[in-house]
Amino acid sequence: EAGVVQSPRYKIIEKKQPVAFWCNPISGHNTLYWYRQNLGQGPELLIRYENEEAVDDSQLPKDRFSAERLKGVDSTLKIQPAELGDSAVYLCASSYQRGGETQYFGPGTRLLVL
Amino acid sequence: AQSVTQPDIHITVSEGASLELRCNYSYGATPYLFWYVQSPGQGLQLLLKYFSGDTLVQGIKGFEAEFKRSQSSFNLRKPSVHWSDAAEYFCAGEVGSGAGSYQLTFGKGTKLSVIP
Repeated sequence: EAGVVQSPRYKIIEKKQPVAFWCNPISGHNTLYWYRQNLGQGPELLIRYENEEAVDDSQLPKDRFSAERLKGVDSTLKIQPAELGDSAVYLCASSYQRGGETQYFGPGTRLLVL
Repeated sequence: AQSVTQPDIHITVSEGASLELRCNYSYGATPYLFWYVQSPGQGLQLLLKYFSGDTLVQGIKGFEAEFKRSQSSFNLRKPSVHWSDAAEYFCAGEVGSGAGSYQLTFGKGTKLSVIP
């Protein structure tokens, strides 16, 4: 089966510009996650979706970050405006359901903000 | 607070030598525990996971891990390392909250280098 697909793989932007990341989870996976991984760190959860509902977005900086998962499949994560500190790898993962299920990760989008 | 700690930032081993990567957890209840591997420019791949039962868990690529409740540890082992094992390894834990919410918490990772 196809894995989690993310695009773009790399993105370089200037600060204050907007940027968007796209994720297509594994078919049939109801739960979708967005993580941010800073250099030398483990991934940290930004937001979790159960189908199209955002059920855990406590770590999402809502002043500049937004996300959506229309129709409970694909998802988009947006940053507007981007700051230098947003440079990181943004990982998308999916699982069949929450709670102990294995999360399958995409390759990530590496963002560099200049 | 829930946390996962990987004490070793970087480990170097010779090819063919044995490997042990350390992971300690701090949770109010026994968590689900996972080991993931991340190669450069790649996403995370699950090596193995522990939910309950047998405390010695077998994974892919010849890896195994042992859950030790008394030591709050879940160390990853491999008897003979191959050059292709060079990567970054992440331990992660997950436990449900009263509201049924689960959040996977990762350690900071251990980078493994393999000397030919």
